[in-house]
Amino acid sequence: AQSVTQLDSQVPVFEEAPVELRCNYSSSVSVYLFWYVQYPNQGLQLLLKYLSGSTLVESINGFEAEFNKSQTSFHLRKPSVHISDTAEYFCAVSDQLGSNDYKLSFGAGTTVTVRA
Amino acid sequence: DTEVTQTPKHLVMGMTNKKSLKCEQHMGHRAMYWYKQKAKKPPELMFVYSYEKLSINESVPSRFSPECPNSSLLNLHLHALQPEDSALYLCASAGRETQYFGPGTRLLVL
Repeated sequence: AQSVTQLDSQVPVFEEAPVELRCNYSSSVSVYLFWYVQYPNQGLQLLLKYLSGSTLVESINGFEAEFNKSQTSFHLRKPSVHISDTAEYFCAVSDQLGSNDYKLSFGAGTTVTVRA
Repeated sequence: DTEVTQTPKHLVMGMTNKKSLKCEQHMGHRAMYWYKQKAKKPPELMFVYSYEKLSINESVPSRFSPECPNSSLLNLHLHALQPEDSALYLCASAGRETQYFGPGTRLLVL
């Protein structure tokens, strides 16, 4: 089974500053990677995903993540954060896409707190 | 539309009560999931239904009983819960590439 390590449990950051959330996964032949965001008192929302193709993937709200196979990483970045980016961020991985009922392995989560 | 809906939003129940959580999706997905999430922790998988059949049960206690009446609906029946079962219960549905989560039901067991 896949495992995911999120290297930072908490990341405080000032508004308009850049942020990077680190995610490493255990190696596998084929792997599919996701970042989910959970705002306070809400469910998980898909932020972005890597399935194949370009190793740099972007979200509609300015986040991007880069799949690095040699370093088994999928770090999430945003060049300028807003107060509204305050949330819990989960990295997740699956090696079972193609079956209908695949499992996701989640990292422990990173709490991002944006301050004015 | 990538919406998964869950009812109720909040639920308080005693240890002798019976209650049910409901989940609905209209994306045509054939896999649906129940997760349990404690505060500041990642979701923990409980059950997976594929084509309306239970395909994965992650050794969940029998006081949790899932049901999939049709391809759009997923229920979680609760009976004789313990205070440590208090958590956010998340439903998700999946196409071949992505799991989409509902907003969750916040459960408090007294």
